[in-house]
This record gives sequence, structure tokens and C-alpha cells, in this order.
Amino acid sequence: GENVEQHPSTLSVQEGDSAVIKCTYSDSASNYFPWYKQELGKRPQLIIDIRSNVGEKKDQRIAVTLNKTAKHFSLHITETQPEDSAVYFCAALGAGGGADGLTFGKGTHLIIQP
Amino acid sequence: DTAVSQTPKYLVTQMGNDKSIKCEQNLGHDTMYWYKQDSKKFLKIMFSYNNKELIINETVPNRFSPKSPDKAHLNLHINSLELGDSAVYFCASTPGLPDTQYFGPGTRLTVL
Repeated sequence: GENVEQHPSTLSVQEGDSAVIKCTYSDSASNYFPWYKQELGKRPQLIIDIRSNVGEKKDQRIAVTLNKTAKHFSLHITETQPEDSAVYFCAALGAGGGADGLTFGKGTHLIIQP
Repeated sequence: DTAVSQTPKYLVTQMGNDKSIKCEQNLGHDTMYWYKQDSKKFLKIMFSYNNKELIINETVPNRFSPKSPDKAHLNLHINSLELGDSAVYFCASTPGLPDTQYFGPGTRLTVL
């Protein structure tokens, strides 16, 4: 089955700086890669996703890049703000489709220092 | 107008008891899931249901059983609860494959 590795487990950045979180996956047939943000005590919320036919996607301060050859994808947050503090999860969906569910990375605790 | 809802939000019970968690989605989605988030925040798929058919069953003890009375509901039944079952359980649904999964608010289960 799919295996997703996520780094770093904790990331502390100064407010206004950029943050980058990286993930690798094992199943070359995976074709959908979402990123979720989870605040304390809340549900995971989708912030951005990318499909395997696209190399990069951007939504305001958030961008995701995908390298299918290397089987890794990254989340980039620019101009970080205090409200960006949360746990971020990357995930991958196998080509079998929804039947396999999402395989999640272990999460990155992003801390924005004022 | 909550898209994916779960009840109860909190569930505290004794070891050995049987309990259920309910999930409902009003999005008309075809596929629903149950995920478990442990104390280390690791999210792992437990089950998925597509049009009332169980598609997968991960390495989950058979004390756990999903039941779907209709397309909008996927309930989770747990028999003979154990301490290690303490976790947050999230229900989710998706409209298509592959597509966004929408999560419910979660149910925090504590087994004493």
C-alpha cells in the first residue's frame, strides 16, 4: 500500500517569513495529493490539492508543487501570519481511487513566532 | 447546513462496553469514510463505503463494524471497547474519485 513520509515534524518560523513542508510517497500510481490544516480540537480542513497531471498550483499565499518522477510534493506558505499556526497534513490517494482512502503523513506542527 | 456531521462529539465509556458513533452527510456524496486519529495526531483510514457497499477494511479489529442504513449515513459500531480504542474518530465523504474529502467535526472517544 501507499506510504507517505512528511518532514519536518515541527517547524517554527518568524511571522512574515516563508514555510515549506515536504512529503514523499511510495506508490507511483497515486494521482491526488491534498493538504489539510488542522487547528487544535478541530477537523482537518482542505487548504489546497494537486492532481498528478499538474506540477504546481497556487492559491494566494499557499502553493503546492509536485514532482512525480521523484515522488515528492511540497507545501509553500509565504508571508506567514499567526493564524497559520496549526498542524498540516499531506496525503496521497492511490490510483485505485477512493476505495483506498487517503494515506496521510504524520503531520507538521507549524509555529509562527510573532 | 453542516455538510458532514457526527454525533456524539464526546463519548466517555468503560472498557468492555459497546458504543456507536453516527455520521451523516447532506452533500449527496457517493463515498464515505471513517478515519482514526490517535494521541500522536496520526490519521489513518479505517473503512470506506460506496453506495452501501463496503469497499475496504484495513487492519482494523473486527470489533469495529461500519453500518450504512442509506447513502447519507455511515455509522461506526464498536464492541467490547478497549483502552487502545481511545482516539478521535472522523467521518468523511467525497463526491468523486479522486476528489476532495470533507471531514466531520470528529468524535473524541475516551475508554476508561
